Amino acid sequence: QVHLEESGGGVVQPGGSLRLSCTASGFIFRRHGMHWVRQAPGKGLEWVAFIKYDGSIKYYADSVKGRFTVSRDDSENALYLQMNSLRTEDTAVYYCAKDYGVFGTGGAFLDYWGQGTLVIVSS
Amino acid sequence: QSVLTQPPSASGTPGQRVTISCSGSSSNIAKNNVYWYQQLPGTAPKLLIQKNDQRPSGVPDRISGSKSGTSASLAIGGLRSEDEADYYCAAWDDSLSGPVFGGGTKLTVL
Repeated sequence: QVHLEESGGGVVQPGGSLRLSCTASGFIFRRHGMHWVRQAPGKGLEWVAFIKYDGSIKYYADSVKGRFTVSRDDSENALYLQMNSLRTEDTAVYYCAKDYGVFGTGGAFLDYWGQGTLVIVSS
Repeated sequence: QSVLTQPPSASGTPGQRVTISCSGSSSNIAKNNVYWYQQLPGTAPKLLIQKNDQRPSGVPDRISGSKSGTSASLAIGGLRSEDEADYYCAAWDDSLSGPVFGGGTKLTVL
């Protein structure tokens, strides 16, 4: 049974940093790309970042490019999102999601999602 | 503003059939598969339709998806109270090198 669990959310001041984690179980983590998707309070879903199964390709939304970095540790079955230079508009629930493709290069096929972790950027 | 366009709301009475549209462009829906996600209140999104018209295991056959050109649609027949949720379409965008989502449609069962 696939399980994804995010952690690391909290309250941070504008300009600050935060590192989110996502631990995965129930599937062969190293064979799948992983996504971060966020949802601002009362708003829709916004894709944030993707990392290929082997970490060789990373894609970012324009809104976070240059500020956020996605990474993974296959030995720990873990996905990370390092968020720097945070802005108030980054306030959201951040979800990690598994990409369906085995050894894939990314897509919109997100077959499992975690429950999310809330990040609040406020002074 | 979302890359994919959905109506913000839809509604129907129990037993009715409701359709939600999703409009995109040549860089996303026209060239790539469309996916639909259901988000029940207070929960994480869940995959509802994969690859335009395929239902994952456990999704009832009263729910269906279709795609034509730069548009897609989600149909829910035999509407039930538990269908009240937000629905999002998504597709890979070749120009943006990432998946794009619609703004979401809030479905109300009257």
